Parts: sequence; structure tokens; C-alpha cells
Amino acid sequence: EPEVTQTPSHQVTQMGQEVILRCVPISNHLYFYWYRQILGQKVEFLVSFYNNEISEKSEIFDDQFSVERPDGSNFTLKIRSTKLEDSAMYFCASTLENIQYFGAGTRLSVL
Amino acid sequence: AQSVSQHNHHVILSEAASLELGCNYSYGGTVNLFWYVQYPGQHLQLLLKYFSGDPLVKGIKGFEAEFIKSKFSFNLRKPSVQWSDTAEYFCAVKQASGSARQLTFGSGTQLTVLP
Repeated sequence: EPEVTQTPSHQVTQMGQEVILRCVPISNHLYFYWYRQILGQKVEFLVSFYNNEISEKSEIFDDQFSVERPDGSNFTLKIRSTKLEDSAMYFCASTLENIQYFGAGTRLSVL
Repeated sequence: AQSVSQHNHHVILSEAASLELGCNYSYGGTVNLFWYVQYPGQHLQLLLKYFSGDPLVKGIKGFEAEFIKSKFSFNLRKPSVQWSDTAEYFCAVKQASGSARQLTFGSGTQLTVLP
């Protein structure tokens, strides 16, 4: 069964550094998403992406965040200058027929 | 904006016990409803979904859920749990129409099934 894959599974970075989280959505899916889950809190929507542009974003998704689909397979989330409060699990998802399929997540630890 | 409440944060059951996990949402319009499960170290996996029609929906692994529109609820049930059902369970809602396609999640319920 096709899966959404995310790399790395765990990323440790220093505060102020840039990080790029990578996702490979399922190949025939058209909508892509990033969510995050801070430890002990709800899974929160960050951004959705369709047809090579952002279609929706939450108030969390400020200027420090950006998304890109640099080629036909990858979908990346960049955080320009990480803060301690960016420490969370980041999930990528892609959609087919209104069902979102999720990756296993990247745990980002900002020190 | 919609919101989702899962009132049980941690449920502990013995094998063969029956399970019911509560989920309530708030949104004035038509919604699509989902239950996802996350086994340790794995991705969020769809258990079942409700879009329209029969309010009692059946999912994988013997799970079912009932949509009660008047109560804004979508509770998850399983008649007899197994040790392998130990996982975290998330209820989620999405607007059924309009441009917003993102899911709004509840806070999750950790289910521990004792052998």
C-alpha cells in the first residue's frame, strides 16, 4: 500500500538554525498538508498546498515557515530560524477523495 | 471555526472489554468526520470516516462509529478490544463544503489494553 514518507524521523537543531523537513506524498495525490503536534497538545493544521501554491494556512504559519514542492515528488517544510517553541512532531499528509493519508512524522527538537 | 473535543484522555481496559471513545464537535455546517489511530512509532492511520448516509459506519479492525447529528457526536466503539488495539485514537472533522480542506483534530485518547 502506498505511504506518505517523511525524513528525517528525528531532527535536532540549535535555536536560530534553519531546518527543512521532507515529505514524499503518495504519487497520485493532489493536495498536501503539514500539521504539527506539540507534546501534550492537539494536532494542529499548518498549511495546505495545491497546484504549486498555498491554498490555506493557519495563524501558526507565519513568515518563519515556507513550503515548497521542488520536484515532482518531494514536499518540504522550511523553518527559517527555529525557536524553542517550534519543538514538536511535524506530520505531512496528502489527500485522495477527501481522505488524508499521513506520514509517520518528524520529531523536531530545538535546543 | 470548528473544534473537536475528546473527553477521555487515557482509557485502560482489559482484553475483551467493550470500548466507547467520545468525540464531540462544534461547527454549524455540514461536516465530514474521521477517526484515526496511531500505533507507537507509526503514522496516523484512518480507522473510519463519515461523509453522508447511514450514520453508523464500520471501519477496519472491527471498529465502528455512530454519527448523532443532534448531539454533534461521533463516538467510536468496539465490542471486544484486543491487546493490539493499544494506541492513540484521534477524532477529526473537516468542513464538507467550501475551500477549507484541513482537518481539525481532537486532543486524542490513549487506549491501553491489558492482556
